[in-house]
This record gives sequence, structure tokens and C-alpha cells, in this order.
Amino acid sequence: KQEVTQIPAALSVPEGENLVLNCSFTDSAIYNLQWFRQDPGKGLTSLLLIQSSQREQTSGRLNASLDKSSGRSTLYIAASQPGDSATYLCAVRAYNDMRFGAGTRLTVKP
Amino acid sequence: GAVVSQHPSRVICKSGTSVKIECRSLDFQATTMFWYRQFPKKSLMLMATSNEGSKATYEQGVEKDKFLINHASLTLSTLTVTSAHPEDSSFYICSAPPATGPSYNEQFFGPGTRLTVL
Repeated sequence: KQEVTQIPAALSVPEGENLVLNCSFTDSAIYNLQWFRQDPGKGLTSLLLIQSSQREQTSGRLNASLDKSSGRSTLYIAASQPGDSATYLCAVRAYNDMRFGAGTRLTVKP
Repeated sequence: GAVVSQHPSRVICKSGTSVKIECRSLDFQATTMFWYRQFPKKSLMLMATSNEGSKATYEQGVEKDKFLINHASLTLSTLTVTSAHPEDSSFYICSAPPATGPSYNEQFFGPGTRLTVL
């Protein structure tokens, strides 16, 4: 059974800092990996999707990498802003299965 | 982009009643839909995989008689919480990957349904 771990569980940084969120998974037989953002009491917003054949994806200030062989992904956020404060979840998709990490709760202080 | 809707967004019911939650893919077809529940400040837990035209696949520990899933068409899956109890109060989210097209295999999530059982 796939297990997804996210480190750290919580992170607080001052505005403007660059930061890295980590995600690791135990089974490398995946279709893709997705990073999501969730605001309190809200649903999920997809940030980046990396297919199993890809190494990284970029969108604006976000960059996600995938190393399938080592079972790791990182989400890099450049020049963080208070509006980036949210919980960030990574999810790993295999056949008919999608497993989430517990998330990293990010707080960006003005 | 692909859109998934859920209805209702919020429901409050009395203990012992049944509640139906709908998950619809609005602009694509999905042969598979996933149902999750999320406890406060916790991550999403996969409950079951809904398969169009066949029985749902439930995760270990999820009671299939308690959480009835029906995938009636390529755009609709329903989750019915039967004889709801306060411990069933949670945030329920569905997701669907398009069966075809440029977004094939990408998960699109509904906005979630907050269930409160009194």
C-alpha cells in the first residue's frame, strides 16, 4: 500500500523567503503526482501535476520536481507572499488509487 | 478546464437519517470517481473508488453498507451516508479524472460537502 509523507508538517516564514516543501512516497509505480493547495474549510486547488515520465513542472512562482526512483517530490515556492498561506498537499496517483500526504501547513508572515 | 461539482455544499441532518451527496463532472466523462473524507486539520482519506457500471471498491475499514456509492452514469456518482451518526460528521470530497482528452488521468476535485450530524 502506497504511503505518502510530507515534511515539515508546519512551516512559518517571513514574506519574501524562498521555501521548499517535501513529499516522499513508498511505491515508485505511479501514474503521476499532484500538488494541491487547501485553504481552511475549503476544497482543493490543483497547483501542479507531474506525470511519471516528467522531472519537473513550473507555474509562476511554483516549481515542482519528481524523482520517481527515490520516491521524492519537492514543491519550491519563490518569493513567498502572505497569500500563499494555506495547507499544501501532495497526492500520488496509481491505478485506481490516489493517496494523499498529511500536508504542510504554511504561514507566511507579512 | 475540467470542472467537478458537488451537491449539497453543506448539510445538517438528524442522527439516524440518510444523506445523499452528488458528484458531477460537468464537462467531461469519468469512468472512475474517488470519494474522500477529511477530518478537521487532517489530510484526505480515500474511502472508495466509484466505477461506472460496476460495484465500488471500498478501502479497508470503510463500511460499504454505511456508505453506499452509485456511479449511475459517466458524469454522476453519488455517496449516500445511511443512518448517519454524529461521528459521520466530516468534509466529504470527490474527485474525477477525465477518461479521455488532454487532461487524461489528472484529478479534478469537487468543492466538498460538509456534513454535520446532530
